Amino acid sequence: GAGVSQTPSNKVTEKGKYVELRCDPISGHTALYWYRQSLGQGPEFLIYFQGTGAADDSGLPNDRFFAVRPEGSVSTLKIQRTERGDSAVYLCASSLGTLETQYFGPGTRLLVL
Amino acid sequence: GEDVEQSLFLSVREGDSSVINCTYTDSSSTYLYWYKQEPGAGLQLLTYIFSNMDMKQDQRLTVLLNKKDKHLSLRIADTQTGDSAIYFCAETLGPTGGGNKLTFGTGTQLKVEL
Repeated sequence: GAGVSQTPSNKVTEKGKYVELRCDPISGHTALYWYRQSLGQGPEFLIYFQGTGAADDSGLPNDRFFAVRPEGSVSTLKIQRTERGDSAVYLCASSLGTLETQYFGPGTRLLVL
Repeated sequence: GEDVEQSLFLSVREGDSSVINCTYTDSSSTYLYWYKQEPGAGLQLLTYIFSNMDMKQDQRLTVLLNKKDKHLSLRIADTQTGDSAIYFCAETLGPTGGGNKLTFGTGTQLKVEL
């Protein structure tokens, strides 16, 4: 595709449920990043993939959060036992290589009721 | 640690220049970026500057970096209503074991009035 795409664009769930957020990076981009943006804040780093492996997951807030990128392209961010505090916009970005410009998707707006 | 600070709001008249300021604390930063975010949209990269540069100009945008004071600014000349958005500065330490992760400021909301 022309840019980074993310699905769904909006997700409403109930406290305690499990959610999956998907990111399709720009074709050929080897690096993929997940960020979380709470209301009125700047994005915060969650996890970085180089190829299929999670090279840095230091930003994941706790073990309820997990992300995969099994074939080095599409990535899925998984949140177990969602809490109201998980409500935020989850942004995905990809870049051609580690030092290259990051291109952001439109984000998935998650609301936990 | 890393911390990036910005003022929350800026209001200018159409046609005037806008100056958005940012301070950061990590002197190891290698690249500093300016991103634009319009309502409901993702982040759009506007420009960036490498830490060994003082200034970069790109059409209506001018970035100034004062590394001694850890101060970054973005000047938008001839500001237009389409420039109304939230502007984020961001820094990166460059290639570390964790790739090129960005640390963002809180964002400055620019409002352009007619």
